[in-house]
Amino acid sequence: SQTIHQWPATLVQPVGSPLSLECTVEGTSNPNLYWYRQAAGRGLQLLFYSVGIGQISSEVPQNLSASRPQDRQFILSSKKLLLSDSGFYLCAWSYSKYEQYFGPGTRLTVT
Amino acid sequence: KNEVEQSPQNLTAQEGEFITINCSYSVGISALHWLQQHPGGGIVSLFMLSSGKKKHGRLIATINIQEKHSSLHITASHPRDSAVYICAVRIVGGNEKLTFGTGTRLTIIP
Repeated sequence: SQTIHQWPATLVQPVGSPLSLECTVEGTSNPNLYWYRQAAGRGLQLLFYSVGIGQISSEVPQNLSASRPQDRQFILSSKKLLLSDSGFYLCAWSYSKYEQYFGPGTRLTVT
Repeated sequence: KNEVEQSPQNLTAQEGEFITINCSYSVGISALHWLQQHPGGGIVSLFMLSSGKKKHGRLIATINIQEKHSSLHITASHPRDSAVYICAVRIVGGNEKLTFGTGTRLTIIP
């Protein structure tokens, strides 16, 4: 069966510090991968999605970036965090045109 | 105006009541998803549907493509159903990405 992992589960970082969130999927190959953010009191927002290694589509211009160095690994990064980057970050995977399966999420607080 | 609208935003009901959550969208879609988000934040996919009706246990999801409307029903509601229910659509021509409603917060009182 397929499982999706995210770490860390929670993170408190000062403004201006770098960020690296990791997502890995097990039990599947060549999945579509997604990064979402949920700001406090707001709905889910798609940040990036990837249909293959090295293929990243950005949905929202911001100071975040994503990379997919391996088939089942998706990384969300920032060089300098802003207060507005605080939120709940979710990784998800799917096969094309099928349901999306979400990871447990990372709660990021930028102070 | 959001492409996906949910109603109500908040819903409180007594245990055992029949629950209906509505989702309307204004774009052409290839599929609609219902998701459940528990207080800890984790999200579970409940249904994906493109026509008709699906049932899983006490949960029923329906969609009317012509009216651009979907409903999620919960029969014999239970306190453990308390969660945020999110409607999301896959827009035609929008690749694989989902567009989300803002969610309905459901609280079931024992």
